[in-house]
Order: sequence, then C-alpha cells, then structure tokens
Amino acid sequence: DTGVSQDPRHKITKRGQNVTFRCDPISEHNRLYWYRQTLGQGPEFLTYFQNEAQLEKSRLLSDRFSAERPKGSFSTLEIQRTEQGDSAMYLCASSPRVDTIYFGEGSWLTVV
Amino acid sequence: KNEVEQSPQNLTAQEGEFITINCSYSVGISALHWLQQHPGGGIVSLFMLSSGKKKHGRLIATINIQEKHSSLHITASHPRDSAVYICAATFGNEKLTFGTGTRLTIIP
Repeated sequence: DTGVSQDPRHKITKRGQNVTFRCDPISEHNRLYWYRQTLGQGPEFLTYFQNEAQLEKSRLLSDRFSAERPKGSFSTLEIQRTEQGDSAMYLCASSPRVDTIYFGEGSWLTVV
Repeated sequence: KNEVEQSPQNLTAQEGEFITINCSYSVGISALHWLQQHPGGGIVSLFMLSSGKKKHGRLIATINIQEKHSSLHITASHPRDSAVYICAATFGNEKLTFGTGTRLTIIP
C-alpha cells in the first residue's frame, strides 16, 4: 500500500494521559499536513511541514500539542494531558505539490 | 476572513437523479478542491479546480471565479455515491479551509 498511513486508527485514553499519533506520508511527498475533524464538522488545519520544517501552526494547536517531522519523512502528533475536548479524528495528508493532496484514513481519539 | 460554505447540508435522492452540491467562498482563492469522505473517515480527493470545469466519469465540477462559487454534479446517481462531499479551498497559502460537508444519501 503506497497511500498515506496513520497509526493507531483508534485510541481511547483517560483524561490527562498523553497520546501520540504517527503519519507515514507517500514516499517523496515533501508536504505533510495535520488536520482535526470533530463530528459533523469539516476538518480544521492544525499544522504543516515542508520536508522537516514546520512552516505553519494553527492557533488551535495549544501548547499541549506538538508535531514533529524529524527526517522529513514520517511525522508524529503528540497531545499531552489530554482533555475531553481533544476527542476528534486527526487526519494526516501529504502532497508532492500544491495542486494535489492525499489523505490518510485518520486516527480517532476518544478521551474518557 | 477566509470562509467556505456549502449547501445543502443533507441531500437525499433516488437512484438515477442528477445531483448538485454548491460551494461558495468568501475571498479570492488559489485553488478549490472537492473531496469525498466515506463512513470511517477516509477522504479522497475528487477534483482540484482553479478555473473552468473538470469531468471524471459521472462527476463534474465547475467553478465561477467572478461569482466565487463552485458546484459538484453527479449524473445518474447510484447508492455507492452515498458519502459526505466536502468543498475546500486554499487562500494563497498551503493549507486547506474546509466547508462543513454535504451528506448525500442515494436511495435505491
């Protein structure tokens, strides 16, 4: 499978715990995006990497959220001290250029 | 403020009907995307438009830059077309701003 891969697909965690999601983009795609989607809403932008550089962060990304793409390939999104409001689907996408984009299947987070 | 609005929010139609989903945006865009999202979350890119019209199979997407409006049409609709269709735009930067989606249900 050469698509965008996300892991885990589902995560249930207790409030206050830390969680980490991983995204493996399509090989050679230099652009990588993280979005968050809550039920009934369209996705919202969180952050964007070009290669290993994090070029933009949304104000939605509080200091409990951190994203990395250390070698310009896979990326991780960590949420510290999770809150119930963090429950959402976290979508990763990658693209080789601005006019095309490929999405992963998403990682569902439930904070109980 | 960069905004994308879609209508209708929900659409139910009989198999075979011609479907139209509308999208309007607030200010000038660099590109507009139509996306399809199935239950379970995965999103597939259907079209990217900056002008004119594109067609792929039974799907047609149009954009009118002057009116800041785009439409997605489905001809000869089929139950497998049931999904959420999302309009998203880039406003001169790399990130997508999404509409809230249109939930389409095609009844056999």
